[in-house]
Amino acid sequence: AQRVTQPEKLLSVFKGAPVELKCNYSYSGSPELFWYVQYSRQRLQLLLRHISRESIKGFTADLNKGETSFHLKKPFAQEEDSAMYYCALSVRNFNKFYFGSGTKLNVKP
Amino acid sequence: EAGVAQSPRYKIIEKRQSVAFWCNPISGHATLYWYQQILGQGPKLLIQFQNNGVVDDSQLPKDRFSAERLKGVDSTLKIQPAKLEDSAVYLCASSLGFVGGRYNEQFFGPGTRLTVL
Repeated sequence: AQRVTQPEKLLSVFKGAPVELKCNYSYSGSPELFWYVQYSRQRLQLLLRHISRESIKGFTADLNKGETSFHLKKPFAQEEDSAMYYCALSVRNFNKFYFGSGTKLNVKP
Repeated sequence: EAGVAQSPRYKIIEKRQSVAFWCNPISGHATLYWYQQILGQGPKLLIQFQNNGVVDDSQLPKDRFSAERLKGVDSTLKIQPAKLEDSAVYLCASSLGFVGGRYNEQFFGPGTRLTVL
């Protein structure tokens, strides 16, 4: 069965420190993976997707099919990065989306 | 462009009562999703529409939940009768869908927070 695992419920780092939010997935086919973010009192919104291979707000994520991971990284965390981050998997040809349980990132001044 | 609209924003009901949620997607978005997000968990897909047809409802508890998308635009999600474990935020999202070999971004509404007492 398809599943997305985010092992950390809470991640606290100091401003300027590197941050890595972990995401592992289980799916035997070709996955499409996404990171969604929800800032305080805002709607859930797309941060980035693996197929675009882009950097958004300094964040990058690389799909590692061997390790079935899609970790989100940023070299220097900023206070405005504090938010809930959700990793999501979409299953091609089945139009299904699976979200992880989320990681709350807290960037301390 | 206007975002996804949902109403009501909050609802408190007693168990065994009925409740309905409404969603108005972004204009032109063919795909509409309803998610249930229980406190401390990620969103769980309940049902997905492509225009007015159901693409997937495998995780919808059909004995008590129902959803429709008449005319392929607005959608309603109903719970009848509600149980305590239905307390959650119900999110609606819309997108252009699977176009050009890739999934287009989902845009989420603000959600409806349901409390069942």
